[in-house]
Amino acid sequence: AQKITQTQPGMFVQEKEAVTLDCTYDTSDPSYGLFWYKQPSSGEMIFLIYQGSYDQQNATEGRYSLNFQKARKSANLVISASQLGDSAMYFCAMRDLLNTGFQKLVFGTGTRLLVSP
Amino acid sequence: GAGVSQSPRYKVAKRGQDVALRCDPISGHVSLFWYQQALGQGPEFLTYFQNEAQLDKSGLPSDRFFAERPEGSVSTLKIQRTQQEDSAVYLCASSLASILDSRNQPQHFGDGTRLSIL
Repeated sequence: AQKITQTQPGMFVQEKEAVTLDCTYDTSDPSYGLFWYKQPSSGEMIFLIYQGSYDQQNATEGRYSLNFQKARKSANLVISASQLGDSAMYFCAMRDLLNTGFQKLVFGTGTRLLVSP
Repeated sequence: GAGVSQSPRYKVAKRGQDVALRCDPISGHVSLFWYQQALGQGPEFLTYFQNEAQLDKSGLPSDRFFAERPEGSVSTLKIQRTQQEDSAVYLCASSLASILDSRNQPQHFGDGTRLSIL
């Protein structure tokens, strides 16, 4: 079974600073994908970034980067130059890539990020 | 719009009533997912369709929950004889991924339906 753990219920950061949101995972699947989603107060889930377990390099998408440490089973999200609009819930999720008939995402409990001026 | 569309946005029902929630996925997306998100929690998987075939319904909490996607596009999640513990946000997501395509594709979510059972 897959499990995602997000130990930070809330994080605070000042505008323009960088912040790291923690995510650890547990799986016995040999091939898996890791995702981060943002959920503003309006409720929609916005896809941010993806990392495959066999990707050699850490994923980056604009101000988002994923610090993937496979041996430690961690996939932390780094947001550089925080903006007020980054205030939201952030969810880490994973899915099995080998068994393509099982495409469900398993989510963590989320981290609420507040960006202050 | 080009995104996943869900309706209604909000639904209030009395305990024991039946409800139906609709999801209109992104055009061309073969995979469709339903998730349930309780207050303060992450989404939890309910069921998954590829086109009209329901390939995984392992997350449906009881036989009161039923989902269909008869023509491989729009999907409906039905909850019969609703109970208070059914109160949650129901999220629909769609994806280009298929079981024949092992490349990963992200799931794109709708705004959800907030269901309140009184």
